Amino acid sequence: EDQVTQSPEALRLQEGESSSLNCSYTVSGLRGLFWYRQDPGKGPEFLFTLYSAGEEKEKERLKATLTKKESFLHITAPKPEDSATYLCAVQYYHGNKLVFGAGTILRVKS
Amino acid sequence: NAGVTQTPKFQVLKTGQSMTLQCAQDMNHNSMYWYRQDPGMGLRLIYYSASEGTTDKGEVPNGYNVSRLNKREFSLRLESAAPSQTSVYFCASSGLGPQETQYFGPGTRLLVL
Repeated sequence: EDQVTQSPEALRLQEGESSSLNCSYTVSGLRGLFWYRQDPGKGPEFLFTLYSAGEEKEKERLKATLTKKESFLHITAPKPEDSATYLCAVQYYHGNKLVFGAGTILRVKS
Repeated sequence: NAGVTQTPKFQVLKTGQSMTLQCAQDMNHNSMYWYRQDPGMGLRLIYYSASEGTTDKGEVPNGYNVSRLNKREFSLRLESAAPSQTSVYFCASSGLGPQETQYFGPGTRLLVL
């Protein structure tokens, strides 16, 4: 069974304290890995797509990287407005559907 | 562009009642999806429609039916609601190609008493 595991479940940071979120997945047949941000009471908002090991993408204070077995979402000098739940989803070649992880709840305190 | 819209935003049902959740997209996307989101669990796919006129079951289809009314609209129906269907429901859409990004609506919060 395809599985996507995110860690940690929750993360508290001080403003400016950089850290990383992890997303590990069943290795075989990765077609694409997606990161979303979800604010309370809202739908997921697309951030990045990664397709192959070694690929990196950046947006403001966020940088997503991909290896053969996991992805990291690095947050550099976070601000309180970066507080949200970050979701990882994987698409496999043997099915077009997305498999989501449970998410990491990030809280950034000023 | 409004993107993906969903109605209603919130609904309370009694066990056994029926209702239809509506979803529409204005991005000319071919594929549409219905997910449910429960605390501590990832988004789980209920049904999807790869193109107008087709629908397929996802991971958790029991107790639900769907209709792809046209290219823009995809509805989810609960025929006889159960407390286990209390959840937040999200509709999403994506364009052509298997790697196309899915874009989500704002969600419908459903409480079944």
